[in-house]
Amino acid sequence: KNEVEQSPQNLTAQEGEFITINCSYSVGISALHWLQQHPGGGIVSLFMLSSGKKKHGRLIATINIQEKHSSLHITASHPRDSAVYICAVRGETSGSRLTFGEGTQLTVNP
Amino acid sequence: EAGVAQSPRYKIIEKRQSVAFWCNPISGHATLYWYQQILGQGPKLLIQFQNNGVVDDSQLPKDRFSAERLKGVDSTLKIQPAKLEDSAVYLCASSQDRTFYGYTFGSGTRLTVV
Repeated sequence: KNEVEQSPQNLTAQEGEFITINCSYSVGISALHWLQQHPGGGIVSLFMLSSGKKKHGRLIATINIQEKHSSLHITASHPRDSAVYICAVRGETSGSRLTFGEGTQLTVNP
Repeated sequence: EAGVAQSPRYKIIEKRQSVAFWCNPISGHATLYWYQQILGQGPKLLIQFQNNGVVDDSQLPKDRFSAERLKGVDSTLKIQPAKLEDSAVYLCASSQDRTFYGYTFGSGTRLTVV
């Protein structure tokens, strides 16, 4: 079992839909990242969370430390949101190493 | 602000050949990371530098992989000799410090070993 599990692996939505991607982890963490990877391979850091909730534009990220769970929400989704979304955690005892989930491939159709 | 620069973008080599990748982090970023991302998987850390010192290389296959960051700025990752299973995207990332402040990835080098 991976330390970081994401669901779903693949997600197809229609433009305008509200999207949720989930991340569960099995270790104590000091921080959790949500990353976006486009087909060209470039990765962009969307959020870094250690508690609560963060919002940036149409993106919202939440984390529940007790339940070891985080969600990434996209409101009013758009085809340009199509990408792979990756959850990564920094373990309490792993120094600054990040452990990555396998990603969620999101496709938003017009 | 310029991003993390990597080169080349693509490389195709035969097995048993050697290859080198280059990364120039964001100016002022003390921490540099090399990741290997095999198709369909999340990135895996190969090595982490803090300035020109190695912080974590526990997942680096040291029999064939090496990396250096001699002046604490740009870095090279080398594979010698390459194997078929080394086919992957090699990503470089940098951050201002170990807390990941300003954490930024490069676009990666896609390596195909045939």
